[in-house]
Amino acid sequence: NAGVTQTPKFQVLKTGQSMTLQCAQDMNHEYMSWYRQDPGMGLRLIHYSVGAGITDQGEVPNGYNVSRSTTEDFPLRLLSAAPSQTSVYFCASSYAPTGTEAFFGQGTRLTVV
Amino acid sequence: EDQVTQSPEALRLQEGESSSLNCSYTVSGLRGLFWYRQDPGKGPEFLFTLYSAGEEKEKERLKATLTKKESFLHITAPKPEDSATYLCAVQLRSNYQLIWGAGTKLIIKP
Repeated sequence: NAGVTQTPKFQVLKTGQSMTLQCAQDMNHEYMSWYRQDPGMGLRLIHYSVGAGITDQGEVPNGYNVSRSTTEDFPLRLLSAAPSQTSVYFCASSYAPTGTEAFFGQGTRLTVV
Repeated sequence: EDQVTQSPEALRLQEGESSSLNCSYTVSGLRGLFWYRQDPGKGPEFLFTLYSAGEEKEKERLKATLTKKESFLHITAPKPEDSATYLCAVQLRSNYQLIWGAGTKLIIKP
């Protein structure tokens, strides 16, 4: 059972480059979300989705885009990478948005130089 | 402003030495409080959900409790494999979003 799969695990970008972080889950979960984790800070929500075709912004959405064309996939796009986007990114999924266990991927460590 | 604070930032214990981790919160309305464990290089892994003051949940050497202002994660007779960062998060009544604390890094020495 794969759970939540994120690719790549590591990435180095130059300032101004764009890229897509991939996230896929095989649990038929409706709710998916993207977080970033920075040293000394709690996880911060970037974008989330409550089902295919429905996305919304979280706490720190600037510089990121998402789409949800299928239940399984929830890619995160960095439009024009900046050093401030250096972070570890986690994708999570859950059966419902409230009160249920969230399953996290292994993370993508992104460095923007 | 909704806020979640975890203390201490780091805690070193000898194997078998029991202790508690704290998660205090100031939020407009609590829907639920979550505890997760995170190992280095991995994503968080769910431990508990608590919904109301007075509620307690247990799993092996861990017990989570909730009051109106804070939650405690008690660890009894810990083992080296309990070493990890423990994260708490609060879900607000007003929306689906979670507000996360920065975590407590727990190190258990054999």
